[in-house]
Amino acid sequence: QKEVEQNSGPLSVPEGAIASLNCTYSDRVSQSFFWYRQYSGKSPELIMSIYSNGDKEDGRFTAQLNKASQYVSLLIRDSQPSDSATYLCASTPNTGNQFYFGTGTSLTVIP
Amino acid sequence: NAGVTQTPKFQVLKTGQSMTLQCAQDMNHNSMYWYRQDPGMGLRLIYYSASEGTTDKGEVPNGYNVSRLNKREFSLRLESAAPSQTSVYFCASRPEGSPEQYFGPGTRLTVT
Repeated sequence: QKEVEQNSGPLSVPEGAIASLNCTYSDRVSQSFFWYRQYSGKSPELIMSIYSNGDKEDGRFTAQLNKASQYVSLLIRDSQPSDSATYLCASTPNTGNQFYFGTGTSLTVIP
Repeated sequence: NAGVTQTPKFQVLKTGQSMTLQCAQDMNHNSMYWYRQDPGMGLRLIYYSASEGTTDKGEVPNGYNVSRLNKREFSLRLESAAPSQTSVYFCASRPEGSPEQYFGPGTRLTVT
């Protein structure tokens, strides 16, 4: 079993809708969680980090963490075609040396 | 400030050949990482270096060696390339006290 699991999709949403991406993790040692966006042929780009239970908002992005359920999610409000990319979920214990990535969820925003 | 740079961007090797992938960062980060990314497998950690002079194995270290030359540079060497090492390789760095990584542009390696 992978440390971090994601639904690979593809996920398609119409422009202006809310896109919801989900991630589960198996290691209770994991403490820090990240969402990266990766455009085709490019490197991953960090868009959100979350360390404690609850919601964290940054512009159109909201990350949600539930450590009891070992669940992390990313909501993208008012989705734009430029949001079309693969979204990677990642976790790390507090040491920050071992990082575990999910396989990514492909998102397409339809104009 | 170039961030994390990687060379080369593309490389084709024949089975059994050797090569070194170079990575450098100008952000004064202590920790550096090498990942490979394969379709359906996500990013997998090959090796990491928590500080100059130290290296540790990640999830998939077999067939690779690394060198942390100085604080800026972290190289990945394939001694005898195999087709299973065909992949996109990413280097990343991380500042002290923060778990957030910054990635280089990647190297696309094909082994025939």
